[in-house]
Amino acid sequence: DTGVSQDPRHKITKRGQNVTFRCDPISEHNRLYWYRQTLGQGPEFLTYFQNEAQLEKSRLLSDRFSAERPKGSFSTLEIQRTEQGDSAMYLCASSLKGGGDTQYFGPGTRLTVL
Amino acid sequence: QKEVEQDPGPLSVPEGAIVSLNCTYSNSAFQYFMWYRQYSRKGPELLMYTYSSGNKEDGRFTAQVDKSSKYISLFIRDSQPSDSATYLCAMGPGGYNKLIFGAGTRLAVHP
Repeated sequence: DTGVSQDPRHKITKRGQNVTFRCDPISEHNRLYWYRQTLGQGPEFLTYFQNEAQLEKSRLLSDRFSAERPKGSFSTLEIQRTEQGDSAMYLCASSLKGGGDTQYFGPGTRLTVL
Repeated sequence: QKEVEQDPGPLSVPEGAIVSLNCTYSNSAFQYFMWYRQYSRKGPELLMYTYSSGNKEDGRFTAQVDKSSKYISLFIRDSQPSDSATYLCAMGPGGYNKLIFGAGTRLAVHP
C-alpha cells in the first residue's frame, strides 16, 4: 500500500500523559500536513511542512503540541500534558508540490484522553 | 461566521436517487475546491478536485463551482447504499496552502 499511513490508529491515555503520533506520507510527497477533527466537525489545520521545514502553525497548536519532520520523510506529532479537550482524530495528509494542492489523507489516529 | 458553511444533514435518500450536496464560502481568494468522502472512523478520501469555476464529472459524481456566488455542489447520480458516508467540502487559495473544510454532510442511502 503506497498511501499515507499513521501509527497508532488508536491511543487511550490518562490526562497529563504525553503522547506521540507518527505519519508516513506518500513516497516523494514533499508536503505534509497535520489536521485535527472532532466529532461532527470537519478537519482543522494544525501545521504544515515542506520537506523538513515547518512553515506554518495554527493558533490551535498550543505550546503543548510539537511536530517534527526531521529528514523530510515521516513526521511526528507530540502532545505533552494531555487534556480531555485534546480528544480527537488526528489526521495526516501529504501532497506533492506542483500537484495542485491535492491532499491525500491517512486513516488518522484517534486519541482518547481519560 | 465560518469561512465555509455546509449543512450537516443528515440526508436520507432511497437507492437510485440523485443527491445534491452544497457548500458556501466567504473567502474570494479560494481557487481550489475539493470533495472528500469519509466513512465512520476513517480518514477522508478524495473524491473530486476542481480548480476555479466550472463543472467536472467523474462517473456518477459531478462537481460544480460557481465562484460568483461562492457556492459549490456535488451531485451523486444513481446513489447506492455504499455511498452512505459523510461528505466534506474543502477549499484553499492555492500555493501550498492548508485546506479549509466544511463541517460535513452525513448521507444515508437506504435500499
